[in-house]
Amino acid sequence: QKEVEQNSGPLSVPEGAIASLNCTYSDRVSQSFFWYRQYSGKSPELIMSIYSNGDKEDGRFTAQLNKASQYVSLLIRDSQPSDSATYLCAVKPQGGSEKLVFGKGTKLTVNP
Amino acid sequence: ETGVTQSPTHLIKTRGQQVTLRCSSQSGHNTVSWYQQALGQGPQFIFQYYREEENGRGNFPPRFSGLQFPNYSSELNVNALELDDSALYLCASSSGLAMETQYFGPGTRLLVL
Repeated sequence: QKEVEQNSGPLSVPEGAIASLNCTYSDRVSQSFFWYRQYSGKSPELIMSIYSNGDKEDGRFTAQLNKASQYVSLLIRDSQPSDSATYLCAVKPQGGSEKLVFGKGTKLTVNP
Repeated sequence: ETGVTQSPTHLIKTRGQQVTLRCSSQSGHNTVSWYQQALGQGPQFIFQYYREEENGRGNFPPRFSGLQFPNYSSELNVNALELDDSALYLCASSSGLAMETQYFGPGTRLLVL
């Protein structure tokens, strides 16, 4: 069964620190990986997509992908209270429909 | 703002009733996917429509059905509502099967009593 797993948290970091969010997936042939941010009561908002092994940086966000270990992570540098949200990892399995398989999300709290 | 709109924003129904949720995709997008997000869970894929045809379905019973119109807007219909259908229903649009980035609308929160 194709699964995506995340630590549910909550993860609490002080303002200005680095927040590290982790995700593992079971479908070895997955090719596309996404991080979404979801504020309470709102819909998911795309932060990053990553397709190749290594790091991808966008502002304060860095996504890291290791396909051999079936592991994807999101680092948030200089964390701000406005980063407090649930972060969803999503994986697009190879083949079949173009669905996304989501983890349950990690709730992040950044303390001022 | 993603340009994806959904209606209504909130809905209260009773068990056994039927509901129709609507989604307008972002301009230029011809693919719409529907997800159900229960409280404290990640979104679960219901089905996807591409150019008015169903293109894949998740593990949901047949009482969940959908439709896509020539302008690529879409409907999700749920018959014989059950208490467990209470959830946030999300519509996501993308610009074709090869384009994997999906952009979500604001969602419809359904409460079944």
